[in-house]
Amino acid sequence: SQQGEEDPQALSIQEGENATMNCSYKTSINNLQWYRQNSGRGLVHLILIRSNEREKHSGRLRVTLDTSKKSSSLLITASRAADTASYFCATDVTGGGNKLTFGTGTQLKVEL
Amino acid sequence: GAVVSQHPSRVICKSGTSVKIECRSLDFQATTMFWYRQFPKQSLMLMATSNEGSKATYEQGVEKDKFLINHASLTLSTLTVTSAHPEDSSFYICSAFPTSPTPDTQYFGPGTRLTVL
Repeated sequence: SQQGEEDPQALSIQEGENATMNCSYKTSINNLQWYRQNSGRGLVHLILIRSNEREKHSGRLRVTLDTSKKSSSLLITASRAADTASYFCATDVTGGGNKLTFGTGTQLKVEL
Repeated sequence: GAVVSQHPSRVICKSGTSVKIECRSLDFQATTMFWYRQFPKQSLMLMATSNEGSKATYEQGVEKDKFLINHASLTLSTLTVTSAHPEDSSFYICSAFPTSPTPDTQYFGPGTRLTVL
C-alpha cells in the first residue's frame, strides 16, 4: 500500500527545542501535505509541498521533500507546549484523483 | 477561509441502528468530498470518494451497502452507517475539495465520533 511510514512514532522534547519528524512514501506523488491533529479533534492543514519543490517554510515550520528518496521531513523550531499533538504526512499520489494517503503519524509531546 | 462542518459531532447508538453523518462545505462548493475513518491511536484511512451527482467510489475492503454515501449537492455529502455494530465505533472525518481557487488543498471537517453500544 502507499501508506507512508513516519518516524519517530513518538517524540518527547522540552519547550524551546526543535522537533523533526520524517515521512517516507512509496510511489510518485503530486504533492505531500502535513497535518496536525490534537487529541480527539479534526485535522489542521499545516503546509503543502509540491513534487517540484524541495523546501518550504511557514512560520516556525520547515518542510523538505526529496522525491528521489521518497521522503519528507517536518521541522518545528522553538517548540511550544501548544505544539503537542499528532502530526501526519499525507500524499496526493499521481493519478490518484486527489485522494490523500496518510502516514502512520508521529505523536509529539512538548514539555514545559 | 474554507470551512467544513460535520454533524453530529458525537453520536451514541444501539447496535443494529443506522446513523447518518452530514458533511457540509460552508463557504465553497465541492464537487468531490472524501470520507475517512480513524480508529484510536491510528492514522486516517480513506473509505470512499463522494462525487456530486454520481455514485461514490469505495476503497477496497469498505462495504458500500453498509456505508451509504449520498452527495446530493455541491455543499453536502452524507454518510449513513447502516445496521451499526460495536466494531463500527470510530472517528469519521470528511474532507472537501474546493472547486476553485486552490484545488490542491482539501479542507477537513472536525470529525464525528460514533460509539455503538
